[in-house]
Amino acid sequence: QKEVEQNSGPLSVPEGAIASLNCTYSDRVSQSFFWYRQYSGKSPELIMSIYSNGDKEDGRFTAQLNKASQYVSLLIRDSQPSDSATYLCAVRGRDDKIIFGKGTRLHILP
Amino acid sequence: EPEVTQTPSHQVTQMGQEVILRCVPISNHLYFYWYRQILGQKVEFLVSFYNNEISEKSEIFDDQFSVERPDGSNFTLKIRSTKLEDSAMYFCASLGSSYNEQFFGPGTRLTVL
Repeated sequence: QKEVEQNSGPLSVPEGAIASLNCTYSDRVSQSFFWYRQYSGKSPELIMSIYSNGDKEDGRFTAQLNKASQYVSLLIRDSQPSDSATYLCAVRGRDDKIIFGKGTRLHILP
Repeated sequence: EPEVTQTPSHQVTQMGQEVILRCVPISNHLYFYWYRQILGQKVEFLVSFYNNEISEKSEIFDDQFSVERPDGSNFTLKIRSTKLEDSAMYFCASLGSSYNEQFFGPGTRLTVL
């Protein structure tokens, strides 16, 4: 059973600080990794995708991938109240399935 | 900006009835997906569709479910005989040839009574 694990939170972070979200996955042959943001009652919105080991930066967001440890993370710098949402980690293996984690609820404290 | 659309936004049905959820993917996309999210739970993969056939499906996608692309634009999910546990938000998504960003539609909330 392929699994994607995330801490459900809530993770509370002061405005302006760095929010760090973590995810582990069980399928060693996973090839593509995604972070989605989901506001309550809305559909997931892609924030970052990462395919190779290391860091990938896009604005205030940095995704980090470590395939040896089967670990992917998302850093949000200069956290804003609008960043308060549930963050979903998703993983695609060699097949066409994308497995989502349960998500981490992030709360940015004004 | 192109977007995935879904209709209806909310569907209420009686247990045992058939429902069809409709999606219009982004026009030049090639890969299409259905996901389900039961309230308070994680997004679950149901099925992927490429080149007019199912490419992958999950264990949730049993004989009660089917998908179809009846014309060049619509992508539908049919549930033949709905059960109470089918109540969920159903998301359609599509993916272009870059095999990178998957765009989600706004979802259809299905309520089975």
